[in-house]
Amino acid sequence: EVQLVESGGGLVQPGGSLRLSCAASGFTFSSYWMSWVRQAPGKGLEWVANIKQDGTENYYVDSVKGRFTISRDNAKNSLYLQMNSLRAEDTAVYYCARENAVTNMGWYFDLWGRGTLVTVSS
Amino acid sequence: DIQMTQSPSALSASVGDRVTITCRASQTISTYLSWYQQKPGKAPELLIYAASTLQSGVPSRFSGSGFGTDFTLTISSLQPEDFATYYCQQSYSTRTFGQGTKVEIK
Repeated sequence: EVQLVESGGGLVQPGGSLRLSCAASGFTFSSYWMSWVRQAPGKGLEWVANIKQDGTENYYVDSVKGRFTISRDNAKNSLYLQMNSLRAEDTAVYYCARENAVTNMGWYFDLWGRGTLVTVSS
Repeated sequence: DIQMTQSPSALSASVGDRVTITCRASQTISTYLSWYQQKPGKAPELLIYAASTLQSGVPSRFSGSGFGTDFTLTISSLQPEDFATYYCQQSYSTRTFGQGTKVEIK
């Protein structure tokens, strides 16, 4: 079955760290850009970061630059998000998403996980 | 950074209605625009990509159009399962979502 399964969420104190994982199955993980997208409670979707197929390029939303690091292990079909210096405003459901593309016409998220909840609170 | 603005933020409609949601980019994004549907407690699902291409398995009552800065998502005849929140997303420069449009039952 083609799927993404996130794990690693939980309750963490402000200033703390957490590492999210996303396990991919049913497709050739190493062929796709991958992203993390988050959604604060009752709010809209916010793209967080993405990473190229071979891990040589990555991009971040400004609000997490210098605090979050996206990485991947193609041998383990896994995507990661290391989150440091966490703030209350990082509280959200974090989704792992696969990126697909049409040449010169755009990129899109065609496969999503169910998400993992990160709560930053004292 | 490219900002995406959806309108309206919410709308009330009846089953069978034609519904149109608009999305405006702060700068030109060609056809680098996708639409997603999200139901409460669920992950988003892809509806439309490259501004007007229907994702496999999505009902044909959904359609998308636009180029440059102005885009629309149209539901030709609203069905009970279509009550949800809809998001546009650009991929011309990194990735940005619109703030969402909640479609509610009138």
